[in-house]
Amino acid sequence: SAVISQKPSRDICQRGTSLTIQCQVDSQVTMMFWYRQQPGQSLTLIATANQGSEATYESGFVIDKFPISRPNLTFSTLTVSNMSPEDSSIYLCSVKGQRKAFFGQGTRLTVV
Amino acid sequence: GEDVEQSLFLSVREGDSSVINCTYTDSSSTYLYWYKQEPGAGLQLLTYIFSNMDMKQDQRLTVLLNKKDKHLSLRIADTQTGDSAIYFCAFQEGAGSYQLTFGKGTKLSVIP
Repeated sequence: SAVISQKPSRDICQRGTSLTIQCQVDSQVTMMFWYRQQPGQSLTLIATANQGSEATYESGFVIDKFPISRPNLTFSTLTVSNMSPEDSSIYLCSVKGQRKAFFGQGTRLTVV
Repeated sequence: GEDVEQSLFLSVREGDSSVINCTYTDSSSTYLYWYKQEPGAGLQLLTYIFSNMDMKQDQRLTVLLNKKDKHLSLRIADTQTGDSAIYFCAFQEGAGSYQLTFGKGTKLSVIP
């Protein structure tokens, strides 16, 4: 199994600002995933981050709004840019082993 | 893409069994998962089943898969107050895919 640490665990931000969320894994992984969970909703995949290449974004998500870094095989960041109240969600990073996907504890973001 | 349906709420008395149901549309899913999300926390992988299995038991948890009806269920025996959480079913889209598709989650409330 993989242990995933996310920082911060929660934050309250002003609209128009940006927040960078960090995700650290205790083992080397090729692919890391960023999900968004809006209030009362399920998880939606934002993007897949491979080390050494540009992230692959899902429909409805763009790099300018959610830039992702993947500098090495154990670390990734997701930035939520120019935030609005609609960005208030839980953001989770995930890695997938051979059969199982593991998740960080999430970052609960509130935009005011 | 995958379409996943879950009932949103379930309420049971402590000591009774809980059954959480999930229906899906994509029959190519290789692995099917159940995750638990406690308030303010990330997702915890509870169990998973491979698509060529009908049943998997793990202590108090029993997963049943009916591929003909595309129905997945999670039974929790002797439900405890600590089982109160949101339970998500999730499906791997296709044999070689890393992407998971989640249901909207079932909120289980356990009445003491």
